[in-house]
Amino acid sequence: DTGVSQNPRHKITKRGQNVTFRCDPISEHNRLYWYRQTLGQGPEFLTYFQNEAQLEKSRLLSDRFSAERPKGSFSTLEIQRTEQGDSAMYLCASSYGQGGEAFFGQGTRLTVV
Amino acid sequence: QKEVEQDPGPLSVPEGAIVSLNCTYSNSAFQYFMWYRQYSRKGPELLMYTYSSGNKEDGRFTAQVDKSSKYISLFIRDSQPSDSATYLCAMKGSASKIIFGSGTRLSIRP
Repeated sequence: DTGVSQNPRHKITKRGQNVTFRCDPISEHNRLYWYRQTLGQGPEFLTYFQNEAQLEKSRLLSDRFSAERPKGSFSTLEIQRTEQGDSAMYLCASSYGQGGEAFFGQGTRLTVV
Repeated sequence: QKEVEQDPGPLSVPEGAIVSLNCTYSNSAFQYFMWYRQYSRKGPELLMYTYSSGNKEDGRFTAQVDKSSKYISLFIRDSQPSDSATYLCAMKGSASKIIFGSGTRLSIRP
């Protein structure tokens, strides 16, 4: 399967712990996006990369969130000192070029208890 | 005001009916328009992708874009129970992030 891969699929963590998610995009896709989705809402933009450069980060994103794409391939999203409000589905998508179609992974569902 | 507005539904229609889903937007810089289908607890699946104004057809699905009215539509012909899902409209400019609507929940009654 050469689609977008996200790991883990599910994560349960205690409030205050740090968590890290991984996204492997479709090979040759140079753009990678992170979104957060809560129940009944559309995906909310978090950040996106072109190759290894982080081009935009949502102003809604607190300093507890950080994302990297060190070699322009896979990406990680880290949440420090998790809060219950961080519970959501975290989605990753990739595309090629400015106008390329974006394909999503199956997401990582985070539950903070 | 949100950049992309989408009626959340839920929308319930009988099997075989034609379904019309719509979104409006405010940013005239949007050039690429997409429709995604999302089943419960799954990632969004790309259904239709169009550039600028016009129509695009793929099987039972037709996407329409009217940039002058800032209005996009997705039509589903001969709807099936397997079409029951949440449908998300999405759009972007030439070098920007993708902005999503809130999604419309669709239910097809057998």
